[in-house]
Amino acid sequence: QVRLQESGPRLVKPSETLSLTCTVSGGSFTNEYWSWIRQPPGKGLELIGHISYTGNTKYTPSLASRVIISLDTSKNQFSLKLSSVTAADTAVYYCAKFYCPSSSNCYGLDIWGQGTLVTVSS
Amino acid sequence: QSALTQPASVSGSPGQSITISCTGTSSDVGNYNFVSWYQQHPGKAPKFMVYGVNERPSGVSNRFSGSKSGNTASLTISGLQAEDEAHYYCCSYAGSGLWLFGGGTKLTVL
Repeated sequence: QVRLQESGPRLVKPSETLSLTCTVSGGSFTNEYWSWIRQPPGKGLELIGHISYTGNTKYTPSLASRVIISLDTSKNQFSLKLSSVTAADTAVYYCAKFYCPSSSNCYGLDIWGQGTLVTVSS
Repeated sequence: QSALTQPASVSGSPGQSITISCTGTSSDVGNYNFVSWYQQHPGKAPKFMVYGVNERPSGVSNRFSGSKSGNTASLTISGLQAEDEAHYYCCSYAGSGLWLFGGGTKLTVL
């Protein structure tokens, strides 16, 4: 069974860069699509972006200018960098896997990490 | 793109059925059958409950079912149980590699 685990600093200063890593275990890392989602305290889910096993990325337009998602296949990890953070970026950040039974069709996010709360504060 | 529209809250008594709506546009919900639903208990990660409009992942109770009509998708929970009390989120593919979530619905089991 695939398992995902987020790691990284829990406290980031305003204007700095938030960096998180998701480690994938228990299954294949290749031939999958990987995603980052966030949830501000007491609010709903927002998909930040995703990366394919070939390294192709797609970001939500409102965050695209500040986001980079990258892949390290040698470590079975993918990462999130969000630059120029403000208090509005305080949220629980989840990594997740897309359910894609075929290479052309993905249906949603079937495996999630437990999430990590990142607070932006000086 | 704007978030999909869900009612803020719904409620029902044990044993009853409830339906949660998820309204989008002809560019997302209305144009693709890539609608999924998630259950989230407090302090926990979301759980994949329904996908492809009306398919259930292995292990999800058949009390959960999905449907779609036009630009609106729906999640129906039958035979409500106390453990169903949670937040529920819909998600839809919106084209060009983009995905949208709904704002979430809090289900209260009375």
